[in-house]
Amino acid sequence: AQSVSQHNHHVILSEAASLELGCNYSYGGTVNLFWYVQYPGQHLQLLLKYFSGDPLVKGIKGFEAEFIKSKFSFNLRKPSVQWSDTAEYFCAVSPPFSGNTPLVFGKGTRLSVIA
Amino acid sequence: AAGVIQSPRHLIKEKRETATLKCYPIPRHDTVYWYQQGPGQDPQFLISFYEKMQSDKGSIPDRFSAQQFSDYHSELNMSSLELGDSALYFCASSQMGTSGGYQETQYFGPGTRLLVL
Repeated sequence: AQSVSQHNHHVILSEAASLELGCNYSYGGTVNLFWYVQYPGQHLQLLLKYFSGDPLVKGIKGFEAEFIKSKFSFNLRKPSVQWSDTAEYFCAVSPPFSGNTPLVFGKGTRLSVIA
Repeated sequence: AAGVIQSPRHLIKEKRETATLKCYPIPRHDTVYWYQQGPGQDPQFLISFYEKMQSDKGSIPDRFSAQQFSDYHSELNMSSLELGDSALYFCASSQMGTSGGYQETQYFGPGTRLLVL
């Protein structure tokens, strides 16, 4: 079965610091990869996604992620975080070849940005 | 742009009562997913529908049932509620698209926060 690992449970950064959140997945085939963000008390919002092509994906709000197939990883990055980036970040995968496939989420990483 | 609509946003029920959660997908989206997110947990898949037929089933208790109607909205019916059912219930919708679902993106609604007392 597919699984998604997010190694950092809680990350605390100062404003303007750089961010990298790890995500590794276990799945033998090609997958679709996603990062969702959940601001306090709000719903999941899509940050970015990877289906195929350029492994470096740019999303909203200055986030980007890099798919490294050999490492089964899809790490999320942002060069300079802001206080408003404080949220829970979820990595998710779904296999692409079966359609209507539910997402498998990682446990999430809570990011706290302090002034 | 139109988003996924869920109602109600908040619901308080007593143990052993029933609850019905509603989800209205983004227009022209044909697939609906239900997820349950417990406090401090990641979303867990419950059930999904494509073109009004159940397409996949996850960790949905037998006390729960769901369906998708002709207008593509979906309802999650929960009976004999237990304290452990207290959670945030998300609905997500997607469109199979011309690629047959190979590049499918799910968009989430705001969720229904259910509290069982």
